[in-house]
Amino acid sequence: NAGVMQNPRHLVRRRGQEARLRCSPMKGHSHVYWYRQLPEEGLKFMVYLQKENIIDESGMPKERFSAEFPKEGPSILRIQQVVRGDSAAYFCASFPGLAEPSRYNEQFFGPGTRLTVL
Amino acid sequence: GENVEQHPSTLSVQEGDSAVIKCTYSDSASNYFPWYKQELGKRPQLIIDIRSNVGEKKDQRIAVTLNKTAKHFSLHITETQPEDSAVYFCAASIRIVPNFGNEKLTFGTGTRLTIIP
Repeated sequence: NAGVMQNPRHLVRRRGQEARLRCSPMKGHSHVYWYRQLPEEGLKFMVYLQKENIIDESGMPKERFSAEFPKEGPSILRIQQVVRGDSAAYFCASFPGLAEPSRYNEQFFGPGTRLTVL
Repeated sequence: GENVEQHPSTLSVQEGDSAVIKCTYSDSASNYFPWYKQELGKRPQLIIDIRSNVGEKKDQRIAVTLNKTAKHFSLHITETQPEDSAVYFCAASIRIVPNFGNEKLTFGTGTRLTIIP
């Protein structure tokens, strides 16, 4: 789990600004899920990406939110024109897929980015 | 889509006693059920999981049971200790074999477990 890196850990933005959240998966993992956790709530799926591909973005708000996972570098979740309701913890989870058949389904969570919108 | 319900939302247990948390799911295609423990301000950590081809799994003081017919699964913690205090989440997903696919987790709303010394 320590291998999944997220930065920044805490991010403060004013309404209308942009937020960029980064996730570096564990070494060898090419699949990333992003989840959002509102205060006092469970985690909600946002998007599932493989390298250079968005596989499922059914959990992403239709506007202002976008995600990418380039061939090189971390996965990025981008929130444009943030509003107070975007304040939450954003977690990415790294997934080994077929690379580790014995741990097929396990998703390894990063430490999260706590976004506060003022 | 999948919907996971979790009960209770809060649970207080005397140290040494057992704690049980229950979840139900809606999608009969779901076949993987992990449980996560989350301490305040920390990441969710997998504590135990179960696949639909088994009915029960145990790991020291933690056990999970699954009833596929009724579509519910439960977490059992025995001999509870103060360090068990945390929020626990159940989740469900669909494993696609032999090739993996989208295995997004649908989480329950969490149970705040407090162990009373």
